[in-house]
Amino acid sequence: DGGITQSPKYLFRKEGQNVTLSCEQNLNHDAMYWYRQDPGQGLRLIYYSQIVNDFQKGDIAEGYSVSREKKESFPLTVTSAQKNPTAFYLCASSTGQVSYNEQFFGPGTRLTVL
Amino acid sequence: AQSVTQLGSHVSVSEGALVLLRCNYSSSVPPYLFWYVQYPNQGLQLLLKYTTGATLVKGINGFEAEFKKSETSFHLTKPSAHMSDAAEYFCAVEGQGGSEKLVFGKGTKLTVNP
Repeated sequence: DGGITQSPKYLFRKEGQNVTLSCEQNLNHDAMYWYRQDPGQGLRLIYYSQIVNDFQKGDIAEGYSVSREKKESFPLTVTSAQKNPTAFYLCASSTGQVSYNEQFFGPGTRLTVL
Repeated sequence: AQSVTQLGSHVSVSEGALVLLRCNYSSSVPPYLFWYVQYPNQGLQLLLKYTTGATLVKGINGFEAEFKKSETSFHLTKPSAHMSDAAEYFCAVEGQGGSEKLVFGKGTKLTVNP
């Protein structure tokens, strides 16, 4: 079955450590996105990529970094510079060919900083 | 710039009652509009979307929404609530022009009482 996988489902990190969240898709989608979800805040865009080897900052990119070396993969690194990293992180993808195509979401990774 | 306002962060209905979740948007260009549903600790799933054409859009699980340009609204309805409808619902807008970036509302948590 085609879809988006995120791993791990739960992640614990000590303050000051970088951590990388995995996102893989086998939908052959060009565009991929990372969102952060906090209670009562909706989804906020961190980074997005419309094509391999290219990505753009979203609304809350500070303290995060990404790479897009392969079409299927879009890992997100939460760095120690992110002041409040505890949140639910969602990865999504879309065909990227026209604007109104829906985004498909992965199951999410819940990050907790101890 | 686009924005979305969802009126009511929590809505509670009885099983069998009408579900009405409100969404108002602002967009400088004709919008594409989406409703997503999220069950606890899961990713988002598309319920329905409006692109062009018919203003009444039918989605999955018996939900529908009507695009009203004069009211800048895209409210989600279901004639008869089921216990399985309990979830969080997000309205999202994307401006035409190829940005492919969705702007999400803050969400409405729906509770269905037996």
